[in-house]
Amino acid sequence: EAQVTQNPRYLITVTGKKLTVTCSQNMNHEYMSWYRQDPGLGLRQIYYSMNVEVTDKGDVPEGYKVSRKEKRNFPLILESPSPNQTSLYFCASSLGLGTGNQPQHFGDGTRLSIL
Amino acid sequence: GQNIDQPTEMTATEGAIVQINCTYQTSGFNGLFWYQQHAGEAPTFLSYNVLDGLEEKGRFSSFLSRSKGYSYLLLKELQMKDSASYLCGPSGGSYIPTFGRGTSLIVHP
Repeated sequence: EAQVTQNPRYLITVTGKKLTVTCSQNMNHEYMSWYRQDPGLGLRQIYYSMNVEVTDKGDVPEGYKVSRKEKRNFPLILESPSPNQTSLYFCASSLGLGTGNQPQHFGDGTRLSIL
Repeated sequence: GQNIDQPTEMTATEGAIVQINCTYQTSGFNGLFWYQQHAGEAPTFLSYNVLDGLEEKGRFSSFLSRSKGYSYLLLKELQMKDSASYLCGPSGGSYIPTFGRGTSLIVHP
């Protein structure tokens, strides 16, 4: 089954404790991206990647890191989480350049609470 | 950069038609997506426009005017299950959309 898998789905942690949210897709997609969603602010792009070893900042990259060492995985890293990073996070993937604009497939979301 | 504007909330009656507008200013614009998102769930793809005009897909249609930086999503024969947020997502040079704040649509009997 074609899917984007995020882990964990829920996490409560404390300020300053490094964490990683994993994202994996099994559709051989080139493009992957991370968004955070907060009430009243909509879905905001954090980082995106157009291919292996190619990553770019989105609209709200501060406090986050990403890596794209393999096509299928695009982890989101919070080196020193803070309470303002409490949010619902979505990973998404799509086919890539040369295929025109293609719809993104979203993971089920990760709800992070930073205390 | 992106500047995306859509109404925060709309209400409509079951069986009616509703139009959700979106204006945008997007560098290197190359297309616009609409997604539906039910509360607590992931967004799901509804439609995509790259050329000016109307794209129809069953009860849902989407319109684009590139020169005006304007799009709308038209929902016909509204059903209760259409109560959701609708996200307008123009894409620029990256071909990966960014989204506005979304429009929360409430359909009542």
